[in-house]
Amino acid sequence: GENVEQHPSTLSVQEGDSAVIKCTYSDSASNYFPWYKQELGKRPQLIIDIRSNVGEKKDQRIAVTLNKTAKHFSLHITETQPEDSAVYFCAAASMEYGNKLVFGAGTILRVKS
Amino acid sequence: KAGVTQTPRYLIKTRGQQVTLSCSPISGHRSVSWYQQTPGQGLQFLFEYFSETQRNKGNFPGRFSGRQFSNSRSEMNVSTLELGDSALYLCASSFRDSTEAFFGQGTRLTVV
Repeated sequence: GENVEQHPSTLSVQEGDSAVIKCTYSDSASNYFPWYKQELGKRPQLIIDIRSNVGEKKDQRIAVTLNKTAKHFSLHITETQPEDSAVYFCAAASMEYGNKLVFGAGTILRVKS
Repeated sequence: KAGVTQTPRYLIKTRGQQVTLSCSPISGHRSVSWYQQTPGQGLQFLFEYFSETQRNKGNFPGRFSGRQFSNSRSEMNVSTLELGDSALYLCASSFRDSTEAFFGQGTRLTVV
């Protein structure tokens, strides 16, 4: 079945620096790749997503890139702020399996001020 | 509009008991998925219901089951609870396939 690997497991950056989190997926039928942010004690919330027919998507300080050939996608956060500190999860979904999301293991991002 | 609502928020059960968790999706969403979140295993897919039918199932034992009602509300049931079932159970609703999944606050289940 689908497997999603996520790196790094923890990431510490200085406020204002950039953060990059990388994921690889195994199922070539995957066509939807969301990123979720989960703050301590709260629900996961979508921050950005990308579909397989797009190579890059930006939303203010957040961007996601997708390389279908290599089966990997990355989250880029620029000008990090302390409120960016959270756990970030990547996920992959395939049209074959409805809304089933296969998640990466998560990345704990700490932004030091 | 109201978000995804899960009840109860917290539960403490004894090994061997059974438990039922409830999820009310966003109005108009027909897809409800359930996930188990633990520190060791991360977010693991349990099952998805769409228009009252189970459409997908994850790799969990048969003790985990669910159903969906005609109003799209969903319940999941865990029978013969084990200590390892202690986790945060999250449900998510979606309007269409491959679109944003909106998560509820989760039900924190502790098995003692």
